[in-house]
Amino acid sequence: DTEVTQTPKHLVMGMTNKKSLKCEQHMGHRAMYWYKQKAKKPPELMFVYSYEKLSINESVPSRFSPECPNSSLLNLHLHALQPEDSALYLCASSQDFGQVTDTQYFGPGTRLTVL
Amino acid sequence: AQSVAQPEDQVNVAEGNPLTVKCTYSVSGNPYLFWYVQYPNRGLQFLLKYITGDNLVKGSYGFEAEFNKSQTSFHLKKPSALVSDSALYFCAVRDRGNTDKLIFGTGTRLQVFP
Repeated sequence: DTEVTQTPKHLVMGMTNKKSLKCEQHMGHRAMYWYKQKAKKPPELMFVYSYEKLSINESVPSRFSPECPNSSLLNLHLHALQPEDSALYLCASSQDFGQVTDTQYFGPGTRLTVL
Repeated sequence: AQSVAQPEDQVNVAEGNPLTVKCTYSVSGNPYLFWYVQYPNRGLQFLLKYITGDNLVKGSYGFEAEFNKSQTSFHLKKPSALVSDSALYFCAVRDRGNTDKLIFGTGTRLQVFP
């Protein structure tokens, strides 16, 4: 089973709202990722967690706040977003961190619209 | 710096014909290459990867890719296209300086016509 699940599928929020995106995997993977994808563009890495600790932050604005409560769950907390933050947010996981041969498995994504 | 290029924004092919989606790479050292497919409003699905060994890599849904070191290419192929193969295809390479980062190409939209 190579399933990564994400909720919600769609989210519409105002610029003053606080919301959270959730991601879950039960493959025993120890690395989890958040990507942002704009329409017709490739995904852009935002954050990487390894063994529940933040390993990589690709200079993401502080209005995006990741959290890894346990090895199976990854959250992305959103606050005071801008309309240009509207995008598809993808979660991914892989067996381990720093292994070049590992495959990243992606979830279906959350389509975020900021009004 | 590692990079991949997908020279075609769109590829059109008739159902039943062979298809090729092109990818070229630029890396220092050994390349670790991946193909993903994305259906509309969906996440990326892993198709196949090249790590080492045979230059012809077989993957999911009947796809395969040919690694060519001299031409620095990793083209995705399928002998007989299906309408359901219509999707956005991304080639990616591992960033050796940041081993958890996948560097994606710009994507190629494959359209298979009945």
